[in-house]
Amino acid sequence: QSVLTQPPSASGTPGQRVTISCSGSSSNIGSNIVNWYQQLPGTAPKLLIYSSDQRPSGVPDRFSGSKSGTSASLAISGLQSEDEAHYHCAAWDGSLNAVVFGGGTKLTVL
Amino acid sequence: EVQLVESGGGLVHPGGSLRLSCAASGFTFSNYWAVWVRQAPGKGLEWVASIKQDGSEKHYVDSVKGRFTISRDNAKNSLFLQMNSLRAEDTAVYYCARSLLAATCLWGQGTLVTVSS
Repeated sequence: QSVLTQPPSASGTPGQRVTISCSGSSSNIGSNIVNWYQQLPGTAPKLLIYSSDQRPSGVPDRFSGSKSGTSASLAISGLQSEDEAHYHCAAWDGSLNAVVFGGGTKLTVL
Repeated sequence: EVQLVESGGGLVHPGGSLRLSCAASGFTFSNYWAVWVRQAPGKGLEWVASIKQDGSEKHYVDSVKGRFTISRDNAKNSLFLQMNSLRAEDTAVYYCARSLLAATCLWGQGTLVTVSS
């Protein structure tokens, strides 16, 4: 059971906008930044969003992040087939003194 | 090229030991926190351990405390994970990463550890 809660799956058609949620508590998302990672099939994770809403250079602006209270969200607009991947959220948890992850969301492009 | 390359994974019997290594190149390794993260087959990511730039501070997930030890050799740009008393539930791909929760986050390609009799 992961400390952060993500839906196990999400889907959309090409061109659509999809949103993936990440729910936590006051000790993690509520008081710390959130990172999002993209894991393409058979590969290592890659940083997608940092500090809750910032994109590293090279990440398309179709990807955006936001945070409100104890929840965070990843939005992907103009969905493309190459976006099919697992998406993971993570944050520092001050009560556990640990990095905590969500269980990951598998995004399928229909 | 800026990269992290893990090695040392393999098949080990329950109760056995294994030492993972992570070689950093293309950047000043000593400037960054480093971590180990694992992913069991078909499962999500799990943070295992973190170590501060100078090795003075270390943190572990509860399930590995007393069994795993994280260390680093900045002179050799290397990160290590000594794993003892291995259990079946430790079976996973182990990734090293720098600055996991920062903008400078970088992941290695992973090394597979299988604990089985």
